[in-house]
Amino acid sequence: DQQVKQNSPSLSVQEGRISILNCDYTNSMFDYFLWYKKYPAEGPTFLISISSIKDKNEDGRFTVFLNKSAKHLSLHIVPSQPGDSAVYFCAASRAGNTPLVFGKGTRLSVIA
Amino acid sequence: GAVVSQHPSRVICKSGTSVKIECRSLDFQATTMFWYRQFPKKSLMLMATSNEGSKATYEQGVEKDKFLINHASLTLSTLTVTSAHPEDSSFYICSASNLGTQSSYNEQFFGPGTRLTVL
Repeated sequence: DQQVKQNSPSLSVQEGRISILNCDYTNSMFDYFLWYKKYPAEGPTFLISISSIKDKNEDGRFTVFLNKSAKHLSLHIVPSQPGDSAVYFCAASRAGNTPLVFGKGTRLSVIA
Repeated sequence: GAVVSQHPSRVICKSGTSVKIECRSLDFQATTMFWYRQFPKKSLMLMATSNEGSKATYEQGVEKDKFLINHASLTLSTLTVTSAHPEDSSFYICSASNLGTQSSYNEQFFGPGTRLTVL
């Protein structure tokens, strides 16, 4: 049973446009959500997070939106740059030292 | 962010040998370390959770006698793949965690990963 789902395995976006990556979760106990970026043969790099008490968190070109009632979050990247091309993982956890639960990832390709 | 290192970054071994992978938190004390495995085009699969000074907690389906985890200090955890077989070939990634000072949430920092190839 997949608790964190990223239904789009890939996404292509033109440079300068907005990239929107989506993530859904099923476990209502999750209250902290993170996005990681991963290049091939490297470990994931933390991008941005949001706790369930917020519905938006912004950091530069990256914004994460959380819709708790829909159990849905999204990552917006604007403007998209070729260097953003990577696999993006959505992850969720509960408070405390609990493991992160990852989605399967979405491969973003930003085309120049 | 905090820095986590893994060693080696790449290892090739013969079937039947054992391989040890080290995960170190370089600039913080990690109360908990996690070991993940990634298959090609798949998500990160949590293998086990280890807390310093205690036995690791393994996820369902992960053989604890096959994948030995030791977390002897707050900065070092090791994963030993015993009697490796070709099906153990994979990308192994560790992460280290220390409860954030400003929140009770798990701030996990990932190592760069280790590519294991078993011939």
